[in-house]
Formats: sequence, C-alpha cells, structure tokens
Amino acid sequence: NAGVTQTPKFQVLKTGQSMTLQCAQDMNHNSMYWYRQDPGMGLRLIYYSASEGTTDKGEVPNGYNVSRLNKREFSLRLESAAPSQTSVYFCASSEGGRGASPLHFGNGTRLTVT
Amino acid sequence: GENVEQHPSTLSVQEGDSAVIKCTYSDSASNYFPWYKQELGKRPQLIIDIRSNVGEKKDQRIAVTLNKTAKHFSLHITETQPEDSAVYFCAAFEGGSQGNLIFGKGTKLSVKP
Repeated sequence: NAGVTQTPKFQVLKTGQSMTLQCAQDMNHNSMYWYRQDPGMGLRLIYYSASEGTTDKGEVPNGYNVSRLNKREFSLRLESAAPSQTSVYFCASSEGGRGASPLHFGNGTRLTVT
Repeated sequence: GENVEQHPSTLSVQEGDSAVIKCTYSDSASNYFPWYKQELGKRPQLIIDIRSNVGEKKDQRIAVTLNKTAKHFSLHITETQPEDSAVYFCAAFEGGSQGNLIFGKGTKLSVKP
C-alpha cells in the first residue's frame, strides 16, 4: 500500500517551459488535491478534485491546469513556467471532501524555475 | 474567506518542557481543525484533529483545545522530545459544500536535548 505517489521528486525548468506533475493514490479516495508550499506561507490549495472528471479552483490556481484522469490519478500541468512557480508541490488525497477529513500527502516535488 | 493566523512562528524549548502553539480563525462556520507535523524534507502528516462539537481531544502527549467563542484553537505537547522538532501547521475547514481547508503559516519547534 504505497499511499500517495508523486513524480518527479525534483525538476528544474527554464522560464516558458511546460511540464506535468503526476500523482496517484491507492487508497480508493474520491478527493484529491494539489498544494504548493513556499517558505513562510504554509500550504496553499491550487486545485481540488471531488471525483473523476471534476475539478475546482483553490486559493492560487493561476498558471496551472489539472486533470483528474480517473479515481487514482490527478495531474498538475504548468503550461508556461514562471520563476514565481518555484515551490514545493504536494499532492494529497482524503476520504471525505474538500479537506474536511484527514489529508494523506505525497512526498512532494521540488520545482525550480530559472 | 477564512483566515488562519498561527503563533509563534518559531518556538524553542528544552527537552521535557511543554510546548503550546496557538491558532486563530476568522470564519465562525469553520468546523474541522487538524494539525499537521512536517519534519525537515518530509511530507506533512496529521497528528491530531478536532471537530467543532468537541472542546478538547488528547492523544498521549499531544492535545488540542478549541474555543469556538473566541475562535481559537491550540496544540499542546507535553514532555517534549528531540523527535518532536519539526514544523507544525494548524488548519481550519471553512464548512459548507464549497468550503476549503485553510492552513496557518506554520511554527518551527526546536526541542533542545
């Protein structure tokens, strides 16, 4: 039982490049999330998905797109990376909706945009 | 929307002492308050949570108290150990069908042997 798995662990992009962060969970959770973590800012929600095919914007959605491919997988795409998107990105899942039950986090992706 | 403020931002204690971290929230409709611990370079992990119909919850050396009237909740760690050193995040769930979980900015706890 791997829990929440994120890939890659590290990534360096140049400004304007695109990439997709992958996330998969094996806990049969309906709810999945993408957060970004910046020093001194806590965790901020980028996007939320309640089920396959549904997504909602969070606090900081600008510059990102997401795709809930199926119940297990939730990907985050940066179409044109900017230095302001340098951050640590965490995927999470939960049994209940919208963060009203315990979140299970992946190990994170450390992204640097130069 | 909800705003969660967490204090202090850093906290240093001697091993064996108690540590208290406080959070205030703005939305009286918030009804779920988890605490997450994040060790250096690791993922955040839930350590304790409380719902608005409960005033206090305890799990071994960790306890959380909630004051709905004053809109604040606190994490209490007793008999601190070096392995308690980490960043702790509080959060508040806004409630309702469109609510989100809003995190505080974190408290870095250092426990000195």
